[in-house]
Amino acid sequence: LAKTTQPISMDSYEGQEVNITCSHNNIATNDYITWYQQFPSQGPRFIIQGYKTKVTNEVASLFIPADRKSSTLSLPRVSLSDTAVYYCLVGPPLNNAGNMLTFGGGTRLMVKP
Amino acid sequence: DAGVIQSPRHEVTEMGQEVTLRCKPISGHNSLFWYRQTMMRGLELLIYFNNNVPIDDSGMPEDRFSAKMPNASFSTLKIQPSEPRDSAVYFCASSFPTDNTEAFFGQGTRLTVV
Repeated sequence: LAKTTQPISMDSYEGQEVNITCSHNNIATNDYITWYQQFPSQGPRFIIQGYKTKVTNEVASLFIPADRKSSTLSLPRVSLSDTAVYYCLVGPPLNNAGNMLTFGGGTRLMVKP
Repeated sequence: DAGVIQSPRHEVTEMGQEVTLRCKPISGHNSLFWYRQTMMRGLELLIYFNNNVPIDDSGMPEDRFSAKMPNASFSTLKIQPSEPRDSAVYFCASSFPTDNTEAFFGQGTRLTVV
């Protein structure tokens, strides 16, 4: 599984756009990039997944450059409720038997009023 | 669907006692994961099952830990005997067999061993 590196923590203010970058230099050809969000006292929750270029949903956008060695999760106009830990995961699709879901340290985002 | 259901939500036990954590995955999901989360070590994958078969248990800390999945709708994680260092939040997650699938997590069981 590809190793990921992301900042330990970030601070932001309400209404700002937050970009969290994850490095994954040894990403494999069949690996996807997935981001999860975890609030205190809850289990992680899927946010977004992509393979290349840009993916957008109602929660966030995911930017993946052509070399796929990094990715950036973009949260538009954050609110206090976006305060959470954000995890970047890189690996093959979960439908392949034998694939695991491995979490790194995550980025602790603190949104201030 | 009610999502992944874990029980109990909280468990306090004395050192040396047996502890059993339970998980009911989302109906139709064929992969199930058990995790342990602590401040020091973060989210650790303990074991995962595919079609009720344990695929990788290399994350299980030691022989005191065991996990079973007797059918597609139920799994247990047992610790015997429990120790204070086992205190953590234990999460169960399940996923559906399609491409690019996501995993759905339960609310977790907070275990305290005194």
